[in-house]
Amino acid sequence: DAGVIQSPRHEVTEMGQEVTLRCKPISGHDYLFWYRQTMMRGLELLIYFNNNVPIDDSGMPEDRFSAKMPNASFSTLKIQPSEPRDSAVYFCASSLSRDNTDTQYFGPGTRLTVL
Amino acid sequence: GENVEQHPSTLSVQEGDSAVIKCTYSDSASNYFPWYKQELGKRPQLIIDIRSNVGEKKDQRIAVTLNKTAKHFSLHITETQPEDSAVYFCAASDSWGKLQFGAGTQVVVTP
Repeated sequence: DAGVIQSPRHEVTEMGQEVTLRCKPISGHDYLFWYRQTMMRGLELLIYFNNNVPIDDSGMPEDRFSAKMPNASFSTLKIQPSEPRDSAVYFCASSLSRDNTDTQYFGPGTRLTVL
Repeated sequence: GENVEQHPSTLSVQEGDSAVIKCTYSDSASNYFPWYKQELGKRPQLIIDIRSNVGEKKDQRIAVTLNKTAKHFSLHITETQPEDSAVYFCAASDSWGKLQFGAGTQVVVTP
C-alpha cells in the first residue's frame, strides 16, 4: 500500500491567489482528516469526512477555506484567497472505520508558503 | 471539547538514559491515546497507542501508561539512542474519533 498521498509537496504562492491541496487516502479507509501544523498552534484538525461526507468542519479557520471529497479516493482543501498567515504544513490523514480507536495514518504533508 | 496538555516542551537526555513525557486530558469519555513521533520535515508516525481498558503497554524500548482516574498518560523511552531525537506528540480521541493533540515535546538525545 502506498499510504496516504498528498500533492503538491511544496507550494509557494502570492497573497490573494487560490491554492488547492490534494489528498488520496489509503484504499478502504472510511475516514479522512485535514490538519494544519504551525509552530504557534501545533497540530490542528481542520475538517474530517466519513464516507465522503463532511462530519465536522468546526476547525476550518474561516470562509476562505473549503474542503471537498467527491469520492472515496480523493479530497481537496482549497484556500481562496490565500494570505501569509495561511503558511503552514497541511497534513491529510485517513483511518479505517468509525471505531474511534483506529489509527490515523498521515500523509507526507504539503508545505505551503504564501508570500 | 477535549483539551490535552503535554510536558515538558523540550527534553534533553544523555544517550542510554530514559525519557519520560507526560500528558493530561480533560474529557473523561476519551478512550484512545496514541503517541506520534515526528522527525524534522517528516510526517507524524504512530509509535504506540493505548486504549482505556488497559493501564500499560510496552513495545521494546517504548512503554505507555494510562491512569484514567487521574486523566493522565505517559510515554517512557528507555535506553535512548540518537535516532530517538524527534518531536513527540500525545493525543486523546473523543467518541467521534477526533484526535486532540498535545503541543509536542522536542526530545534531544546527546551522545
